Amino acid sequence: QVRLVESGPGLVKPSQTLSLTCSVSGGYISSGDFHWSWIRQSAGKGLEWIGRIYTSGTTNYNPSLKSRVTISEDTSNSQFSLKLSSVTAADTAVYYCVGSSSTRPKLNWFDPWGQGTLVTVSS
Amino acid sequence: EIVLTQSPATLSLSPGERATLSCRASQSVSSYLAWYQQKPGQAPRLLIYDASNRATGIPARFSGSGSGTDFTLTITSLDPEDFAVYFCQQRADWPTFGQGTKVEIK
Repeated sequence: QVRLVESGPGLVKPSQTLSLTCSVSGGYISSGDFHWSWIRQSAGKGLEWIGRIYTSGTTNYNPSLKSRVTISEDTSNSQFSLKLSSVTAADTAVYYCVGSSSTRPKLNWFDPWGQGTLVTVSS
Repeated sequence: EIVLTQSPATLSLSPGERATLSCRASQSVSSYLAWYQQKPGQAPRLLIYDASNRATGIPARFSGSGSGTDFTLTITSLDPEDFAVYFCQQRADWPTFGQGTKVEIK
């Protein structure tokens, strides 16, 4: 059973870079069974997909965030990470790390999810 | 961007009643639609994928239907644990979510 746990600062200052890490249990980070995504949830914008890193290492980002987002993988530490630059109050949200299956039947659907971590952007 | 519109925003029902939730896409998503359940303080949980397939461990009272632009999530007989917020999500293009339907106790 794959388990995801987010970690990182809960408070980030405006204009700085938000950095989060997701720890993946059970050796799944390099198994090829999952792609890895970040999704955020705010009262104002609801659920918003940020981006994904595929088993190939290719990344794909939400066009509205693409210029500020980097998702990368550190298989040696069973982690993947999110960096979001030049943050504003609008980036305040609960951030989830999420796996999506690389094979059928649940190909590319979001399951499982981490428990989420609240990040507040404020000075 | 494919916009998903869910209706109603809130559904007030009693345990044992039938719930019917709607999700409409701004353009065809074929069958690339999923439903998620979210309870307070928890992450969303996948219920239905590819419009009509139940995820592992999801009770048979949950069913999904539709294709193209119009989709429905039906809960045949509401259990007390089913009162929650439900989201639809498409993956025909880059992923987007609906704004949610809250199923509350009447």
